[in-house]
Amino acid sequence: AQSVTQPDIHITVSEGASLELRCNYSYGATPYLFWYVQSPGQGLQLLLKYFSGDTLVQGIKGFEAEFKRSQSSFNLRKPSVHWSDAAEYFCAVGRSTGFQKLVFGTGTRLLVSP
Amino acid sequence: SAVISQKPSRDICQRGTSLTIQCQVDSQVTMMFWYRQQPGQSLTLIATANQGSEATYESGFVIDKFPISRPNLTFSTLTVSNMSPEDSSIYLCSVDGQDYGYTFGSGTRLTVV
Repeated sequence: AQSVTQPDIHITVSEGASLELRCNYSYGATPYLFWYVQSPGQGLQLLLKYFSGDTLVQGIKGFEAEFKRSQSSFNLRKPSVHWSDAAEYFCAVGRSTGFQKLVFGTGTRLLVSP
Repeated sequence: SAVISQKPSRDICQRGTSLTIQCQVDSQVTMMFWYRQQPGQSLTLIATANQGSEATYESGFVIDKFPISRPNLTFSTLTVSNMSPEDSSIYLCSVDGQDYGYTFGSGTRLTVV
C-alpha cells in the first residue's frame, strides 16, 4: 500500500536560513509527487509537483524539491526562509495514470524564528 | 488550473443535525475528491465522486454518514449527517487538474457542539 512519511513533526528555522523538509514515500507504481502548504485556517496551496523528467523541480515562493528514486525521497528545500513561510507543509503521492486519490504525509509544521 | 469555490467556509452546528458542503469548479472535471482533516492531523480521503455514478468511499467512511451528490461535471456536495463532536474537522474538496496537479478548495471548518 502506498504511504508517505514526513519524519519531522516540527521544524524551527531562523529567518534567512536554509530549509529542508524531508519526505519519503512507498509506492508500487511510478509516482506523482506533490508538496502542499497550508497556512493557519486556510486550504492547501500547491507548491510544486513532480510527474517525470528533470528530478529537480522548481515551485512557487522560491521552493524546490528533488526526486530521488533510489532513496524514495522527495525533499523540499528553500535557500532562505522568510517569516511568511511559517505554515504546515504536506507531502503527497499519487499514481501517475488515471484519476487517483492523493495519499498525504502527516505534515511538518515550520516555525520561523526572528 | 481549476478554481474551486467551496462553501460554507466555516460553521458551528448542533449535534444530531446535518450540514451540506458545496464545491463548484470553474471547469468540467471527471473526478472530485472529498477529504477530511481532523484537528492537528493530515488529510484523509473520504470518497471519490464521479459524475453519473455512486461515489466510492474509503474504508471507515459510509454513505449514510457522508452522502455525496455529483449532479454534473462542475459541482458536488458532501453532507455530514447526524453530527457528533468527533465530526469537527476541516472538510476539503479537490479535483485532479491533470498537468496542473490536484487543486483544493479553501475548506470548510466545521465545529460540532
